[in-house]
Amino acid sequence: NAGVTQTPKFQVLKTGQSMTLQCAQDMNHEYMSWYRQDPGMGLRLIHYSVGAGITDQGEVPNGYNVSRSTTEDFPLRLLSAAPSQTSVYFCASSYSIGTGLYGYTFGSGTRLTVV
Amino acid sequence: AQSVTQLDSHVSVSEGTPVLLRCNYSSSYSPSLFWYVQHPNKGLQLLLKYTSAATLVKGINGFEAEFKKSETSFHLTKPSAHMSDAAEYFCVVSDPVANFNKFYFGSGTKLNVKP
Repeated sequence: NAGVTQTPKFQVLKTGQSMTLQCAQDMNHEYMSWYRQDPGMGLRLIHYSVGAGITDQGEVPNGYNVSRSTTEDFPLRLLSAAPSQTSVYFCASSYSIGTGLYGYTFGSGTRLTVV
Repeated sequence: AQSVTQLDSHVSVSEGTPVLLRCNYSSSYSPSLFWYVQHPNKGLQLLLKYTSAATLVKGINGFEAEFKKSETSFHLTKPSAHMSDAAEYFCVVSDPVANFNKFYFGSGTKLNVKP
């Protein structure tokens, strides 16, 4: 099925460990992004990419790195995990809905716990 | 800057009664507005979107939303709630100026539907 695929679905890390959350889309969308969801705060943008080789920071980028070597993949790296990074992470790809406007297709999320 | 305020963190209705989920936005420009739904432990699904066409927008599963510029509101309604509507709902404004069309999420409204 076409869409946005995130792996893993669940992960437990110890403080200080590093890991990569994977995101892949097969819809040839140019734009991809990572959000984190915390209770009572909605979703907040971490990083985004407007095309292969181009990334930029969102609202809450500290502690995370991204790269975009291909159109399909947009991995999110946690450099040194902290309990404050316990959250649900969503990857999204963007598609045009007309005249410079875009909608999002979301992955099913990765639930990360840092102990 | 864009922002979204969802006025109720929790709404409880009885099955078969109307649903009203309130959303106010702040935007420097003509906004694009969306409602997304998230069922427990699931990803986000697009319910409907407003992109400066008709002010009354129809979405999936019987939901509607009306864009009122004078009130800067985009409230979500449904004439008759169903048990399957129990979920969390997010109002989203899209920044039409930025190259990327960043999404700004409200903090969410949890809808409880009583039998």
